[in-house]
Amino acid sequence: EAGVAQSPRYKIIEKRQSVAFWCNPISGHATLYWYQQILGQGPKLLIQFQNNGVVDDSQLPKDRFSAERLKGVDSTLKIQPAKLEDSAVYLCASSLPPHSVTEAFFGQGTRLTVV
Amino acid sequence: ILNVEQSPQSLHVQEGDSTNFTCSFPSSNFYALHWYRWETAKSPEALFVMTLNGDEKKKGRISATLNTKEGYSYLYIKGSQPEDSATYLCALNNAGNMLTFGGGTRLMVKP
Repeated sequence: EAGVAQSPRYKIIEKRQSVAFWCNPISGHATLYWYQQILGQGPKLLIQFQNNGVVDDSQLPKDRFSAERLKGVDSTLKIQPAKLEDSAVYLCASSLPPHSVTEAFFGQGTRLTVV
Repeated sequence: ILNVEQSPQSLHVQEGDSTNFTCSFPSSNFYALHWYRWETAKSPEALFVMTLNGDEKKKGRISATLNTKEGYSYLYIKGSQPEDSATYLCALNNAGNMLTFGGGTRLMVKP
């Protein structure tokens, strides 16, 4: 079974530039999460999708971050414009439909450095 | 925003030592408690998903217990090995299938 795919693995940009990350979840997984993990901290949920609808985006800085999941499969996360404090690992995860207690499967993450 | 706390933040042990970490969480609206291991440059990998109060799960030298009434879970590693070095994350699964992570415990096992 193919895992969660993310790209790119690494990205270095200057502040005020834009960047986009891509995630392809496991086939059949309706729930998709984007997490931000800043060095020394645990992953923080940015946005959760159920199919192509947003379940929770309360911690997404909407003035600069946006995410979409067209057709309920792949997802993109965009930052525009980036700030220094956006430097982090961005993890995508997917899981089976809601009210499930099965595990979430993670991609390898995109490490973003904003200089 | 749920408050999931893990302690200690980091831990250094010698090979062969046994160790344990704590995950504390609010006990209301509990669905499940997940433990993940995250090795550097790899994806976080699920260790256990625990749902019942008093649950105890084991995988090799690693085991976990769950107390949903008081809101905590312990992860134990018996006879730590260098390959156990990783960040151990717990996550609370509440209604809506939302996963809220703790800050993690970074374990370093010295040979």
